[in-house]
Amino acid sequence: KNEVEQSPQNLTAQEGEFITINCSYSVGISALHWLQQHPGGGIVSLFMLSSGKKKHGRLIATINIQEKHSSLHITASHPRDSAVYICAVETSGSRLTFGEGTQLTVNP
Amino acid sequence: EAGVAQSPRYKIIEKRQSVAFWCNPISGHATLYWYQQILGQGPKLLIQFQNNGVVDDSQLPKDRFSAERLKGVDSTLKIQPAKLEDSAVYLCASSYPNTGELFFGEGSRLTVL
Repeated sequence: KNEVEQSPQNLTAQEGEFITINCSYSVGISALHWLQQHPGGGIVSLFMLSSGKKKHGRLIATINIQEKHSSLHITASHPRDSAVYICAVETSGSRLTFGEGTQLTVNP
Repeated sequence: EAGVAQSPRYKIIEKRQSVAFWCNPISGHATLYWYQQILGQGPKLLIQFQNNGVVDDSQLPKDRFSAERLKGVDSTLKIQPAKLEDSAVYLCASSYPNTGELFFGEGSRLTVL
């Protein structure tokens, strides 16, 4: 079993839909990162969480430390949100373990 | 603020040849990571530096991969000799220690024929 599990692996939505991507982990962490990767490889950091909830524009990230679970929500999805979303957990010594990613496709 | 710079962006070599990738992190970022990302998978850590010291290289195939970060600034990752299974994108990232936000370079895409 991987230390970081994401679901779903693939997600297709219509423009405007509310999207949720989930991340579960099995180790104690100091922080959790949500990252966005567009075709061509560039990765952008969206959020870093250690507790609670953060919001940036149409993106919301939540984390439940007791349940070892985090969610990334996208409100009013748009085709430009199409990308791979990656969850990564940070453990002692700033060591990062990545999930396999969720491929999101938003159709117009 | 300049981002993380990587070169080359693309490299095609034959198996058993050698290749080197270069990374210049954001100024002041003490932590530098090299990741290998095979198509369809999440990034896998190869090596993590704190300044010019190695924090974690447990997943670096040391028989063929080497990395250094002289003077605690830029870094090089070398593969010698390359195998077909080394075809991947090699990502460099940097961050301030213990403050979190990660900054990634565009990656170096290696194809081994």
